[in-house]
Amino acid sequence: DIQMTQSPSSLSASVGDRVTITCRASQSISSYLNWYQQKPGKAPKLLIYAASSLQSGVPSRFSGSGSGTDFTLTISSLQPEDFATYYCQQSYSTSITFGQGTRLEIK
Amino acid sequence: QVQLQESGPGLVKPSGTLSLTCAVSGGSISSSNWWSWVRQPPGKGLEWIGEIYHSGSTNYNPSLKSRVTISVDKSKNQFSLKLSSVTAADTAVYYCARFDARPGGYYMDVWGKGTTVTVSS
Repeated sequence: DIQMTQSPSSLSASVGDRVTITCRASQSISSYLNWYQQKPGKAPKLLIYAASSLQSGVPSRFSGSGSGTDFTLTISSLQPEDFATYYCQQSYSTSITFGQGTRLEIK
Repeated sequence: QVQLQESGPGLVKPSGTLSLTCAVSGGSISSSNWWSWVRQPPGKGLEWIGEIYHSGSTNYNPSLKSRVTISVDKSKNQFSLKLSSVTAADTAVYYCARFDARPGGYYMDVWGKGTTVTVSS
């Protein structure tokens, strides 16, 4: 299996801050990397697919970058509704794997 | 737009078989999509269980493969999950999801709301 490692595991930030979350794959996955946002008691929501493509309806303050093994999710100016847990997920392999998640909390 | 709805027993006895169904509405299960199951134990992260195409082709998580069967019922526009020999470690929220694809990307863009399954006697 391809292992996905996110950092940090948790993060405290304030409204208006710029935040970056990192995801590293145990082997090259090209650009087959997606980012999801999950709020408590809710299903995950797709934010970014193919490493850098913004899903329809997702605010432009979210952006993704990277290829190969190293990827980032950036939120340019945190809004109150952005406090949630974020997961990366690789779809390069037929055995799909997720990162362990990054919990974004209000400072 | 496509919507997914999970259903099934909320309580399963240890050593028994967990059975869930995902009903697809607003679209056809025979479209060019794969259909997936993902679970999330209480307070933990997401784990992909497996996926199925309308032809019946499947891919499973290697760690669960010996216990998992995913099937499709095109006449009912739904797909199902069976997980055998369950233990307390299989207690989780189970989600069904649709995989879509664009050049360079393959992602889960539609999710059900999830259903909680508890394994307990």
